[in-house]
Amino acid sequence: EVQLVESGGGSVQPGGSLRLSCAASGFTFSYYSMNWVRQAPGKGLEWISYISGSSDSMYFADSVKGRFTISRDNAKNSLYLQMNSLRDEDTAMYYCARDIAACSGGTCYEIRFDYWGQGTLVTVSS
Amino acid sequence: EIVLTQSPGILSLSPGERATLSCRASQSVSSTYLVWYQQKPGQAPRLLIYGASSRATGIPDRFSGSGSGTDFTLTISRLEPEDFAVYYCQQYGSSPRYTFGQGTKLEIK
Repeated sequence: EVQLVESGGGSVQPGGSLRLSCAASGFTFSYYSMNWVRQAPGKGLEWISYISGSSDSMYFADSVKGRFTISRDNAKNSLYLQMNSLRDEDTAMYYCARDIAACSGGTCYEIRFDYWGQGTLVTVSS
Repeated sequence: EIVLTQSPGILSLSPGERATLSCRASQSVSSTYLVWYQQKPGQAPRLLIYGASSRATGIPDRFSGSGSGTDFTLTISRLEPEDFAVYYCQQYGSSPRYTFGQGTKLEIK
């Protein structure tokens, strides 16, 4: 059974840092790209970061670029999000999500997030 | 950046009725990259439809997706009590890599 379990959330003051983790099980972690998606209280979903299976590609939303970094340790089946210079507007539930697609000849189709964790809450407040 | 606009924002229907949710893109989106998710209160999103019209594993056939170009639709043929939730569309693009619509809340009338 595929499982994704986030941890590391909590309360932090503006300007502070947090490191989120996502522990994966039930599948060959290194085969899959992964994402972080967040949801501010009462708001919609916002994709914030992507990392390929081998860590050779990473992407960020403009809202977090330069402040957040994404990484993974395939030996530990774990995904991470290092969040620095946190702002009030970073307050949200943070989800990790597995990225899956059908790829052929260097092009990928039917890209979607097929499994999500339950999320970890980050609160940025003074 | 491609913006996805979902309508209506809130849809009030009764169990047994048909629900039609819209997702409109600001630029053409390849159907293969259009996805729908369902989210219930206190839960993570769940994958419903990918490639605009393919149901994910375990999704009942009362859920269907259609559309192309800039206009996509999620249809629930006969609403069950467990279908009342928030629905999001998502697209894969260049920059940003992924964008979500703002969501449609499907509530019991």
